[in-house]
Amino acid sequence: QKEVEQDPGPLSVPEGAIVSLNCTYSNSAFQYFMWYRQYSRKGPELLMYTYSSGNKEDGRFTAQVDKSSKYISLFIRDSQPSDSATYLCAMSARTNAGKSTFGDGTTLTVKP
Amino acid sequence: GAVVSQHPSWVICKSGTSVKIECRSLDFQATTMFWYRQFPKQSLMLMATSNEGSKATYEQGVEKDKFLINHASLTLSTLTVTSAHPEDSSFYICSAKDLTATQPQHFGDGTRLSIL
Repeated sequence: QKEVEQDPGPLSVPEGAIVSLNCTYSNSAFQYFMWYRQYSRKGPELLMYTYSSGNKEDGRFTAQVDKSSKYISLFIRDSQPSDSATYLCAMSARTNAGKSTFGDGTTLTVKP
Repeated sequence: GAVVSQHPSWVICKSGTSVKIECRSLDFQATTMFWYRQFPKQSLMLMATSNEGSKATYEQGVEKDKFLINHASLTLSTLTVTSAHPEDSSFYICSAKDLTATQPQHFGDGTRLSIL
């Protein structure tokens, strides 16, 4: 079983919809949680970075972390065609040489 | 925000050639840089962790003599694919972390390597 599980999708929604992306994990040592967006043939771009449990909001994006359930989510409000990309969750522990463990990514298409 | 520059973005070369890819952190000092490989529609595969001034740590199954990594300064790491063959064709991406261990990685835009 992988340390981080992420539904690969693909996920297709109409413009303006609320999108929910999720990851589960098994390593209780993870304390730092990230969401990256990757467009085709580009490197991942950091969207959200959170520490421990709780919510963080940035514009149309909200990241939630529930450490008790080992579950993280990224919500995108008022989705736009430009949000079409692959979304990667990532997490890391305080130790382990700064490495992050990545999910396999969820491919999202927002249709106009 | 943190900026990581990767060069070149795309390279095509003949089999047997060695190819060098550069990764620079432009606005922060990176004690640690990571090199990934990504196949189409697949996730990132960590190849090695590069620490400034010391030898890189390679993941299991990655050939050290094939993929040479040098991290000579706090802003520059290089990956050299030696004697490249068609099976080395892939998308290579670097990332960098600043001096604070708790900060996330920031990625370069990747290098598409095609070996003919």
